[in-house]
Amino acid sequence: DIQMSQSPSSLSAFVGDSVTITCRASQSIGNYLNWYQHKPGRAPELLIYGTFALHSGVPSRFSGSGSGTDFTLTISSLQPDDFATYYCQQSYATPITFGQGTRLDIK
Amino acid sequence: QGQLVQSGAEVRKPGASVKVSCKVSGYTLIGLSRHWVRQAPGKGLEWMGSFDPKDGETTYAQKFQGRVTMTEDTSTDTAYMEMSSLRSEDTAVYYCLTLKISAVRAVRAEYFLLWGQGTLVTVSS
Repeated sequence: DIQMSQSPSSLSAFVGDSVTITCRASQSIGNYLNWYQHKPGRAPELLIYGTFALHSGVPSRFSGSGSGTDFTLTISSLQPDDFATYYCQQSYATPITFGQGTRLDIK
Repeated sequence: QGQLVQSGAEVRKPGASVKVSCKVSGYTLIGLSRHWVRQAPGKGLEWMGSFDPKDGETTYAQKFQGRVTMTEDTSTDTAYMEMSSLRSEDTAVYYCLTLKISAVRAVRAEYFLLWGQGTLVTVSS
């Protein structure tokens, strides 16, 4: 199975800050990397797919980069609505696997 | 764009079975493969398997082989996930999802386009 490892597991930031979350795969997954935002009591929502592409309706302050085994999600100018848990997910091979999540809290 | 609406919360005793439904609406979702993911309390997201309504093919995570069955009633566009021999560790929110395939910078991309609202399954004696 491909293991996905996110860092940090949690972080605190102020509104207006820029943050970066890292996701590392245990083997190369090309660009088969997606990011989701998850808020308590709600279903996760797609943010970025194929490493770079912003899902429809997602603000441009979200961006993704990387290739192979190392990927990043960057949120610039944090807004109150951005405080949530973020998951990376690989779709290169089954079983599909997720990172353990990064909880982003307001400072 | 479409919607996935799941059945309501369930409570079961250890050893029992549960069947969760997921109604698919919206023409853009018809024919896309259905996946199931769960999240136990305080844990991350765990992929369980998938069902392709175009050919009926199923793929299960090894952990759930023999205990989970994924099907779909194409006449009502409703997907089902049935799990047997439930144990307390199966207490979780279960999500149905649709997988979308497209291209990003001319490279194939596969991603979970939509998620159902989740169904809490509680296993307790």
